[in-house]
Amino acid sequence: GNSVTQMEGPVTLSEEAFLTINCTYTATGYPSLFWYVQYPGEGLQLLLKATKADDKGSNKGFEATYRKETTSFHLEKGSVQVSDSAVYFCALRFSSGYSTLTFGKGTMLLVSP
Amino acid sequence: SAVISQKPSRDICQRGTSLTIQCQVDSQVTMMFWYRQQPGQSLTLIATANQGSEATYESGFVIDKFPISRPNLTFSTLTVSNMSPEDSSIYLCSVEGGAGEQYFGPGTRLTVT
Repeated sequence: GNSVTQMEGPVTLSEEAFLTINCTYTATGYPSLFWYVQYPGEGLQLLLKATKADDKGSNKGFEATYRKETTSFHLEKGSVQVSDSAVYFCALRFSSGYSTLTFGKGTMLLVSP
Repeated sequence: SAVISQKPSRDICQRGTSLTIQCQVDSQVTMMFWYRQQPGQSLTLIATANQGSEATYESGFVIDKFPISRPNLTFSTLTVSNMSPEDSSIYLCSVEGGAGEQYFGPGTRLTVT
């Protein structure tokens, strides 16, 4: 079956530090890949997506590149802010046929001033 | 993207009672999804609701416990029946976007005492 593996958290960083949250996946075929963010007390928001190999998704300074050869979709940001503190979920889904979103377990990011 | 609202935003309920959660979307959508997020955990899909047909439940979830209605293309309800403390979770509805992504409502935080 399909699965998503994320690095364990929490990830603790100081403001302006570089962020990487690792995400790898297992799937038959080539799914679309997503990063969602959940701020404290809120629902999930779509942060970025990539639908095919070598695509780079980007939003709000965050980036992730769909790497087919390593089945990875690592999330990066060059300079984090306190307001980026949240839980980040990596997910995959096939865009054709009946397919549900498969989520990773989430990685909590804590950014201190 | 779609704008999704949920009611109630939170509730505290007695064990043995039932709660109906409403999900409203600002546009017509074919598929709506209901998820559960237990404390500190990732999201688990409960069921997929298509307008005019029975909901499709995922393994481990049954209609008697989580009946779903989908009376039109912009609205759905999820009922959590005969609640126990193990049902304490955040319940989220979502709808599908154009590239396989999903957009989520703000969630309903349920505490069962």
